[in-house]
Amino acid sequence: DADVTQTPRNRITKTGKRIMLECSQTKGHDRMYWYRQDPGLGLRLIYYSFDVKDINKGEISDGYSVSRQAQAKFSLSLESAIPNQTALYFCATSRDRGHHGELFFGEGSRLTVL
Amino acid sequence: QKEVEQNSGPLSVPEGAIASLNCTYSDRGSQSFFWYRQYSGKSPELIMSIYSNGDKEDGRFTAQLNKASQYVSLLIRDSQPSDSATYLCAVTVQAGTALIFGKGTTLSVSS
Repeated sequence: DADVTQTPRNRITKTGKRIMLECSQTKGHDRMYWYRQDPGLGLRLIYYSFDVKDINKGEISDGYSVSRQAQAKFSLSLESAIPNQTALYFCATSRDRGHHGELFFGEGSRLTVL
Repeated sequence: QKEVEQNSGPLSVPEGAIASLNCTYSDRGSQSFFWYRQYSGKSPELIMSIYSNGDKEDGRFTAQLNKASQYVSLLIRDSQPSDSATYLCAVTVQAGTALIFGKGTTLSVSS
């Protein structure tokens, strides 16, 4: 089983729908991240969390919200999905400050908004 | 706006050659630098990290860092077709609290 698990792996939805992408990890890491990847734009940071009580905005947080339900769970929500949120979304984890750039990625969630 | 710049490629090299991948970054406060490899349809995986000026070698991979020039590079010696992938440069910003990625360079190694 994967150490960082994302659900769903693929989702097609319509404009205006609420979508939640879930991430769970068994690595025991405190730090969790959500990135989106678009062709030609690379990976961009949406939100990150250093522990259950610490949530931070990344480069492109508008239109997204997150919830850190437990050390092992970090969810990304799109309250009202729009077509330009069509992308591949990655959850990632890392250890403490000394290793925070060493990310472990989930397999990705491909979201299509029609 | 903190930026990490990479040539998108594709960079094409023959099998056995040296592949050289380059990256520049804008945040002079960046302290940690990483190279990730991403195969088509897969998630990124860390292959190298470097924290101080100079070279760091790991097998066929060498990372080079020059903080004064704000420049990071990755050399792949004896390139193999299995090295064909997109290579992402990543840099810590915001006093080390976040990791910003470049857009990636696609490497193609022909046999």
